[in-house]
Amino acid sequence: ETGVTQSPTHLIKTRGQQVTLRCSSQSGHNTVSWYQQALGQGPQFIFQYYREEENGRGNFPPRFSGLQFPNYSSELNVNALELDDSALYLCASSFPRGGGRAVVNEQFFGPGTRLTVL
Amino acid sequence: AQTVTQSQPEMSVQEAETVTLSCTYDTSENNYYLFWYKQPPSRQMILVIRQEAYKQQNATENRFSVNFQKAAKSFSLKISDSQLGDTAMYFCAFMKQFVQGAQKLVFGQGTRLTINP
Repeated sequence: ETGVTQSPTHLIKTRGQQVTLRCSSQSGHNTVSWYQQALGQGPQFIFQYYREEENGRGNFPPRFSGLQFPNYSSELNVNALELDDSALYLCASSFPRGGGRAVVNEQFFGPGTRLTVL
Repeated sequence: AQTVTQSQPEMSVQEAETVTLSCTYDTSENNYYLFWYKQPPSRQMILVIRQEAYKQQNATENRFSVNFQKAAKSFSLKISDSQLGDTAMYFCAFMKQFVQGAQKLVFGQGTRLTINP
């Protein structure tokens, strides 16, 4: 069983540029969540995708956008990069269990993409 | 909104000792889940242990156990017989129980744990 993978590992951009980060979910998982982890901080929820639709969003501006594809892989796009966007971006996949009942989906994390904005 | 607080930025113990990491949280929810994640220098976030709020019994996973005090909104992690490989950042996290909608993790600031030989 393949775990969550992310690409690229590291990325350096300049202020104002645009970036796309990629995530392949764990086999069988149809939900992908993205988190931003600034240096020395805990991860912050950006948004979640379920069955190719955004399923919830944290306190991030619209220049943070995403996609989920039919194979459940996902992209995080950030436009007009700012210096404060420098962070580790984590992707996590999960699979809803129990149908419509209230359940918790254990999230499995990828190794992250380190983005540096100069 | 839920908040998670880890009041110990750094801790250091000798190998084979027992160490306890503290976590408090604030929520008005009654049904939720609590987690401890480990993030080694490799950056991969790894689930250590989870606790369902409706369960009174504290969760245990081998050398890892929790002390869950729901009324006090406290969720500490105890690591027994600590090993060098336990050196990592440890994050406490909260997840509200949803019927539908995003299930997001709310993380604390982390505790950097160093196990010394």
